[in-house]
Amino acid sequence: TQLLEQSPQFLSIQEGENLTVYCNSSSVFSSLQWYRQEPGEGPVLLVTVVTGGEVKKLKRLTFQFGDARKDSSLHITAAQTGDTGLYLCAGRFSGSARQLTFGSGTQLTVLP
Amino acid sequence: DAGITQSPRHKVTETGTPVTLRCHQTENHRYMYWYRQDPGHGLRLIHYSYGVKDTDKGEVSDGYSVSRSKTEDFLLTLESATSSQTSVYFCAISETPGTGGAWLGEQYFGPGTRLTVT
Repeated sequence: TQLLEQSPQFLSIQEGENLTVYCNSSSVFSSLQWYRQEPGEGPVLLVTVVTGGEVKKLKRLTFQFGDARKDSSLHITAAQTGDTGLYLCAGRFSGSARQLTFGSGTQLTVLP
Repeated sequence: DAGITQSPRHKVTETGTPVTLRCHQTENHRYMYWYRQDPGHGLRLIHYSYGVKDTDKGEVSDGYSVSRSKTEDFLLTLESATSSQTSVYFCAISETPGTGGAWLGEQYFGPGTRLTVT
């Protein structure tokens, strides 16, 4: 079974601060996705990264894919209360092309 | 937003009773998935379908069965519900792989069904 580990599990910060959350695996990803989930709703896709070393930006969110394609990070600049939510990474591994493996998530709370 | 609905949205049932959850899509996507979400476990795949009448097991398939008789509908059945199946269940869909380039398998989720087994 291929596992994804996310850290930290919980993060509480003040509005305006910066933060980084991590997603790691011992296996190589074919591609990796980040989702955000708000209470009572399904996860919503934020970004997909495919190429080792790739960096994608979505407004104040920066996503980086590790050179070896075994890890990824999500950096949020100047967090806002609207960024509060559960951030999930999900990876596709070669040999399991039809499936995604999800990490257990980072619960982010941004305080006003 | 992707057209995905789940029904019912909430259900309370007793141990030993059968339960069927429905996922309906209007996107004509080939792939459909059922996940359960529990605290500390993230999303775990129960079953998925890669076409009408084509299904396969996921990580936590014991106690669950699925059926897909039409592209738009994917049903999840708990034959005899147990308290350990109390959870939030999500359906997701994914586009049909294209003929060229890498298939990213990006998934789009329904709003979820909260199931409580007493």
